[in-house]
Amino acid sequence: DAGVIQSPRHEVTEMGQEVTLRCKPISGHNSLFWYRQTMMRGLELLIYFNNNVPIDDSGMPEDRFSAKMPNASFSTLKIQPSEPRDSAVYFCASSPGTGDTQYFGPGTRLTVL
Amino acid sequence: SQQGEEDPQALSIQEGENATMNCSYKTSINNLQWYRQNSGRGLVHLILIRSNEREKHSGRLRVTLDTSKKSSSLLITASRAADTASYFCATDGSNYKLTFGKGTLLTVNP
Repeated sequence: DAGVIQSPRHEVTEMGQEVTLRCKPISGHNSLFWYRQTMMRGLELLIYFNNNVPIDDSGMPEDRFSAKMPNASFSTLKIQPSEPRDSAVYFCASSPGTGDTQYFGPGTRLTVL
Repeated sequence: SQQGEEDPQALSIQEGENATMNCSYKTSINNLQWYRQNSGRGLVHLILIRSNEREKHSGRLRVTLDTSKKSSSLLITASRAADTASYFCATDGSNYKLTFGKGTLLTVNP
């Protein structure tokens, strides 16, 4: 298995632009997680899905952030409009089920100018 | 609130020495996991210890869990330069969400 795949690996955009981050979880995994990592706040859980259904989005910072999982093999995290404070590394992770080991993707480094 | 908190924040040792990192948490857990992150990479799972376990081994790794003190430790024996990375503990509560600490940056000098 190729592991969790994220794209793009790097994204540089200007304030106000829409940003879409993509994730392909490991085949057969039922849970998918989106995290954000910054030096100041560490690793924060934004949202997680179980069987394609959002279970907990309490970590989503504000309405500018939205996430979807239209099927078991694809998820997106969208920021619209983006702001400089959104600059961070965004990780997607998947696991066979809730409470299991999570397998992380390589991350997307987002820079908002 | 932050669940797992690692200690120390940074640790520098010589190759061949043992490295011990600690993690404290606040609420009851189902399990505790340790992850490793190399610079610029994603996190990699190292070991999971369940709340009814007290100690677990995996190669050069040894994890202990004391639920009465709400703490865990990760011991890496005979460290190597390649062990240089950040190490995170993660706990899950009743909602199965993992909450990560801010990590311990381990530097192993050759």
